[in-house]
Amino acid sequence: EAGVAQSPRYKIIEKRQSVAFWCNPISGHATLYWYQQILGQGPKLLIQFQNNGVVDDSQLPKDRFSAERLKGVDSTLKIQPAKLEDSAVYLCASSFDRLVYNEQFFGPGTRLTVL
Amino acid sequence: GDSVTQMEGPVTLSEEAFLTINCTYTATGYPSLFWYVQYPGEGLQLLLKATKADDKGSNKGFEATYRKETTSFHLEKGSVQVSDSAVYFCALGNSGGGADGLTFGKGTHLIIQP
Repeated sequence: EAGVAQSPRYKIIEKRQSVAFWCNPISGHATLYWYQQILGQGPKLLIQFQNNGVVDDSQLPKDRFSAERLKGVDSTLKIQPAKLEDSAVYLCASSFDRLVYNEQFFGPGTRLTVL
Repeated sequence: GDSVTQMEGPVTLSEEAFLTINCTYTATGYPSLFWYVQYPGEGLQLLLKATKADDKGSNKGFEATYRKETTSFHLEKGSVQVSDSAVYFCALGNSGGGADGLTFGKGTHLIIQP
């Protein structure tokens, strides 16, 4: 079974530029999560989708971050414009169904550096 | 809100030593508790879980018991190996199971020396 795929793996941009990350969850997984992991900290949930609907985006900085999962499969997370403090690893995870306990499977992450 | 506190690292041990990594939590209700591990160059993997009080999660020689009275979920292993070197994260999730977003601790970097 293929795991969670993310691209790109690394990205370097200058502040005020825009960037987008892509995630393809495990086939059949209804729930998709985006986490932000700043160096030296644990991952922090940014947004959670169930199919193509948003379940929780309470910690997403909506003035600059946006995310979509239009067809309920893959997802894109965008930052526009980026700030220095956005430097982090962005992790995508998926699980079968949020209403039943299921393990969250994590992708390898995208390491973003904002200069 | 919910939070997880785990011991600061790095923790350095010799091979075959006994390991304890402390984890305590603050949450409403009765959350599910998890330990995730991140090996060098790899993604986060679930190590073990417990979904209710007094449950013991175990995997690969690691164990952790859900202690409601002390709000703790300490990770233990009787004899560590060099291959256990990794970053370990304690996390909490929904009360009663479910798979909503997890709240993670800061992580503990474990270094095992031969």
